[in-house]
Amino acid sequence: DTEVTQTPKHLVMGMTNKKSLKCEQHMGHRAMYWYKQKAKKPPELMFVYSYEKLSINESVPSRFSPECPNSSLLNLHLHALQPEDSALYLCASSQEATGGNGYTFGSGTRLTVV
Amino acid sequence: GENVEQHPSTLSVQEGDSAVIKCTYSDSASNYFPWYKQELGKRPQLIIDIRSNVGEKKDQRIAVTLNKTAKHFSLHITETQPEDSAVYFCAVPALRAGNMLTFGGGTRLMVKP
Repeated sequence: DTEVTQTPKHLVMGMTNKKSLKCEQHMGHRAMYWYKQKAKKPPELMFVYSYEKLSINESVPSRFSPECPNSSLLNLHLHALQPEDSALYLCASSQEATGGNGYTFGSGTRLTVV
Repeated sequence: GENVEQHPSTLSVQEGDSAVIKCTYSDSASNYFPWYKQELGKRPQLIIDIRSNVGEKKDQRIAVTLNKTAKHFSLHITETQPEDSAVYFCAVPALRAGNMLTFGGGTRLMVKP
């Protein structure tokens, strides 16, 4: 299995809703990432997990809450989002938490906040 | 922090022509330089990468060249085809982000048949 799987593919949520994005990989990668991508912009790093521990939080608002239940799974819990949080949320993984390897990206969750 | 500048932002070429996209970076300690291709509505996919101990790497119609002294690296696509149309991103490990990959602004390549 050489893929990163993200669910759901699309999500529409209200500003008072609570939802979760899920990411899964079975490549034995020990680093997992959340990136946010707005239209016509590059991916921007949000969080990095290394060996199931949060190692980097790029000053992301607390309405985004990551969780890594085990080495294969990564969640992003969403609560009280704003319309400007609408974006493509990409999960990625790599063998180690470093910029020295290529990342494998999932297909993303396209989030719309209404 | 790491600045990653990518040029041009858009590039239109005729099918069969070559395309070159350039990326400049600021941290001389950077040692890994990947290129990603993102088709409309799809995930970024790694298409080629180079490490700082080599100056050029080729994979069929694509190549990456690295000039460490000048701190820039370039993506070269020869004999372009319509399916090469996509947004291409360079990336560099950014010290300010724990050495995680930071992406350039992207280049929208359009290959006209």
